[in-house]
Amino acid sequence: AQSVTQLGSHVSVSEGALVLLRCNYSSSVPPYLFWYVQYPNQGLQLLLKYTTGATLVKGINGFEAEFKKSETSFHLTKPSAHMSDAAEYFCAVSVSQAGTALIFGKGTTLSVSS
Amino acid sequence: GAVVSQHPSWVICKSGTSVKIECRSLDFQATTMFWYRQFPKQSLMLMATSNEGSKATYEQGVEKDKFLINHASLTLSTLTVTSAHPEDSSFYICSAPSALAGGYEQYFGPGTRLTVT
Repeated sequence: AQSVTQLGSHVSVSEGALVLLRCNYSSSVPPYLFWYVQYPNQGLQLLLKYTTGATLVKGINGFEAEFKKSETSFHLTKPSAHMSDAAEYFCAVSVSQAGTALIFGKGTTLSVSS
Repeated sequence: GAVVSQHPSWVICKSGTSVKIECRSLDFQATTMFWYRQFPKQSLMLMATSNEGSKATYEQGVEKDKFLINHASLTLSTLTVTSAHPEDSSFYICSAPSALAGGYEQYFGPGTRLTVT
């Protein structure tokens, strides 16, 4: 069965500092991995995804993530945090069968201070 | 890109009444849609898989008689919360896989905030 673990329910950084949100997955088949961002009272917005190919994927708003199979990780990073990055971030995994639901991690709240 | 809409975005109802939430795929067809539930400051939990033209598949612990799902067309799935109670208050989000992304990527609706008083 697939599962996702997000380490750290709350991460606080200063504006301009590196953002690192951790995600580890468990999957018996090649995973498809996603990061979503959610602002208060809003739906999910896709930040980036890994399906196949290049293991370093770049997304919107300056975020990127690297798929490391040996570490079963898909950590999300951004070199320089902005106040507008404060939100809830979810890592999700999908099995390689098309059309199946995503399994989400518990989420990480990112706070950015000035 | 693919767009999924939900209606209403916010609904308040009295305990004991029923509420219907619509999920529409606006520019693609979706034979399958998913319904998630999100409690405050928690993650999304899959409630059920909505299948066009057939019965929905519910996750363990989800009451099928309470959360009625109808997927009558390739672009519309509805979730009806019957005899709602305050504990049903939550954020309900639907999603649909798009063939544009090989079916692996989900497109999410903006969510519906249900408050039962």
